[in-house]
Amino acid sequence: KQEVTQIPAALSVPEGENLVLNCSFTDSAIYNLQWFRQDPGKGLTSLLLIQSSQREQTSGRLNASLDKSSGRSTLYIAASQPGDSATYLCAVIDYGQNFVFGPGTRLSVLP
Amino acid sequence: AAGVIQSPRHLIKEKRETATLKCYPIPRHDTVYWYQQGPGQDPQFLISFYEKMQSDKGSIPDRFSAQQFSDYHSELNMSSLELGDSALYFCASIKKGGSNEKLFFGSGTQLSVL
Repeated sequence: KQEVTQIPAALSVPEGENLVLNCSFTDSAIYNLQWFRQDPGKGLTSLLLIQSSQREQTSGRLNASLDKSSGRSTLYIAASQPGDSATYLCAVIDYGQNFVFGPGTRLSVLP
Repeated sequence: AAGVIQSPRHLIKEKRETATLKCYPIPRHDTVYWYQQGPGQDPQFLISFYEKMQSDKGSIPDRFSAQQFSDYHSELNMSSLELGDSALYFCASIKKGGSNEKLFFGSGTQLSVL
């Protein structure tokens, strides 16, 4: 059974810092991996999708990497801003397109 | 662009009552997922549908049922509500088969059982 963990559980940084969020999964036979952002009481917003054949994806200040063999993905946020404060979740997608979510990392960017 | 639409946005019910949550997926998406998210928790998968047929089942209580209709919208029916059912319920949709297809979530229905 696929298990997804995220480290750290919570992170507080001053504005302008570059930061890395980590996602680990136990079964490397994944189809895709998707990173989401969730604001309190709101739905999940898709940030980046990495296909299993890819090693990274970039969107603006966000860069996500994927290392299937080691069961890891990282989300890199450059020049963090207070508006980046949210919970970031990774979801691993298997070949049946079943999604398994990690517990999330709560990020606070302090002005 | 059209997104996943959920209704109602908020719902307050009493114990033992029933509730129906609705989800309208993005046009041309053939797959719908339902998730339950308690406070401070990650989304827990309940059930999914592909082409109007149930495709997978997660931690959905027997008191809950769901279906996907011919227009691809889905409804989650919840009976004999309990206090522990209070949560944010999300619907998500995707078009299966593509390698670059993303899962899109609705804004959720906040259910409060009193």
